[in-house]
Amino acid sequence: GAVVSQHPSWVICKSGTSVKIECRSLDFQATTMFWYRQFPKQSLMLMATSNEGSKATYEQGVEKDKFLINHASLTLSTLTVTSAHPEDSSFYICSARTGLAGGLRYQETQYFGPGTRLLVL
Amino acid sequence: KNEVEQSPQNLTAQEGEFITINCSYSVGISALHWLQQHPGGGIVSLFMLSSGKKKHGRLIATINIQEKHSSLHITASHPRDSAVYICAVLSYNTDKLIFGTGTRLQVFP
Repeated sequence: GAVVSQHPSWVICKSGTSVKIECRSLDFQATTMFWYRQFPKQSLMLMATSNEGSKATYEQGVEKDKFLINHASLTLSTLTVTSAHPEDSSFYICSARTGLAGGLRYQETQYFGPGTRLLVL
Repeated sequence: KNEVEQSPQNLTAQEGEFITINCSYSVGISALHWLQQHPGGGIVSLFMLSSGKKKHGRLIATINIQEKHSSLHITASHPRDSAVYICAVLSYNTDKLIFGTGTRLQVFP
């Protein structure tokens, strides 16, 4: 099946530094990529949706200047947490949607990355 | 009331038992996903359904669009099936996934 990778899987950083997380679709071109955040024992929360070559669409309450998303190609999206603080510590998961060009929405599917655990000290 | 409800929230079983996890939703959907999340955190997509039934190994997923309900069944459960199972629906209106809160399954030998 399709594979989505994330790098790094674990990152510990000092407060005030910036952290970049990469998300790659390894064997398919993703029409859209999604970034989620998950707190312990809670469900995934959508942060933003990104399409290759265009600006990301952020969900309400998510600071776009704090969580910078760059969707450089159909196989790579990056999330940069700028000036990280302890409250940004979380599990960040990316997801890539694939499907037939011009196809019906139900023919697309979404694959999830393994996640990146961020700890800000 | 959540748009996607799962039951039960927690489930324990003995190895070999047949397991059913239920998902009900209240929005119009294009598709429904069943996902598996192990303690390490990574999420695996098990099924995507828009109608009927799908089977993969010991896993079976069904969906009834009229009743807005889906079930995930695990036959001959095994300790390695222990994980959180998440139902997520792709909203027809917003084109975004809406997640259930998950069902935590523990299978004991």
